[in-house]
This record gives sequence, C-alpha cells and structure tokens, in this order.
Amino acid sequence: DVKVTQSSRYLVKRTGEKVFLECVQDMDHENMFWYRQDPGLGLRLIYFSYDVKMKEKGDIPEGYSVSREKKERFSLILESASTNQTSMYLCASGWAAGTNEKLFFGSGTQLSVL
Amino acid sequence: DQQVKQNSPSLSVQEGRISILNCDYTNSMFDYFLWYKKYPAEGPTFLISISSIKDKNEDGRFTVFLNKSAKHLSLHIVPSQPGDSAVYFCAASGNQFYFGTGTSLTVIP
Repeated sequence: DVKVTQSSRYLVKRTGEKVFLECVQDMDHENMFWYRQDPGLGLRLIYFSYDVKMKEKGDIPEGYSVSREKKERFSLILESASTNQTSMYLCASGWAAGTNEKLFFGSGTQLSVL
Repeated sequence: DQQVKQNSPSLSVQEGRISILNCDYTNSMFDYFLWYKKYPAEGPTFLISISSIKDKNEDGRFTVFLNKSAKHLSLHIVPSQPGDSAVYFCAASGNQFYFGTGTSLTVIP
C-alpha cells in the first residue's frame, strides 16, 4: 500500500514563528502536493512539485514556501506564521495528473497558530 | 475561480436509503473524475473514479454517473450506512487535480 506520512498530526505555534511541515512518500511518485482544507472552502492547492528541486505555485501560495531536495520528501514552510494560517494541511503524492491516476493523501496536520 | 463545484454543503439520509452527491465542473477539457471520502482528522481516501469516455462506473454500493453535456457528475451510495458519514470531495483531473468544496454526508441510523 502507498504510504504518505506527515510528520505531525497536531501542531500549535505562535504568531511569527517559522513552521516546517514534513511529508514523505514511499511510492517513488514524481508529483507531490500541499493542500489546506478549511470549512466551506474545500481543498485548496498551496504548492506542488513535479520533480526534485522543482516547484510550482498553486492557488494560494502567499505566506508559504516549499522545499523538495529528495524525491520522497516535500516540505511546506510557513516563514512567519499568522493566525489565518490555522488550518488542516494535507500532503499528497501521485503520478502525473491524467486518466487513471489518483492522489494519495497523508493523514493531515492540524495546525493552530495562536 | 472554482472549476469544480459541490453546491450542497451537507446532506442527511436515513440508513438503508440512497445518498446522491452532486458535482458540477466548468472545464470541458477535464477527462478524469474522482471521488474522495474524508473522515475528521484523517486524510482523504480515494473512493471511485470515472473516465470521460464512460458515463457510469460501479464499485459495490458506490456508483458514479457522468453527464458530459451537462458537465455534471454524481455519486450514488446504495444502501447508505452509518459508516458512510463523512465529507465527500469531487475532483477533476486536468493539468493538475481540482477539488470541489465537499459535501458532508450524515447517515442517520
């Protein structure tokens, strides 16, 4: 079975802190994604990466950066956390978007910024 | 601009009855559609998918219907069970994956 592992299930941080969310996948997938889920807004794409050291902005990249130094690992960085970044963060991996391809998600990290 | 829309934020159904979850999309270039199920504090899990060359795909109690002319798909769950209570996300595959806002299904015992 595909495994996408997010390093933390719950995190509490203070405003202004630098926050690292880590994600590791074990299926040698090319693509990795970071989404946030908020009530009424669904899953919104923050950043994605289609190869090592490559990254693309999603729909809501402001306030975030990412790092992909190894194929299996994709990190999301909040440079200076703010209260409006309190959310459920979901990492996903998969082959290229297309017919018969799907995303595999991690369990999520519930981040609270106080 | 939301390319995949789920206009019903919530749905309640009696156990044993049919649940119908709806999804609309705007981009006619989408060629593959998926449904994900999400429990609280867990990541979404893949449920069922359909290619644009088909109009129906069935997997046990779950059936997805695609109406390309209307740019509409629906997920039918028959019979509904209390364990089906979750948030369901519709997604479409283009150059990336586009997700709807989700429908929270409650199956009442």
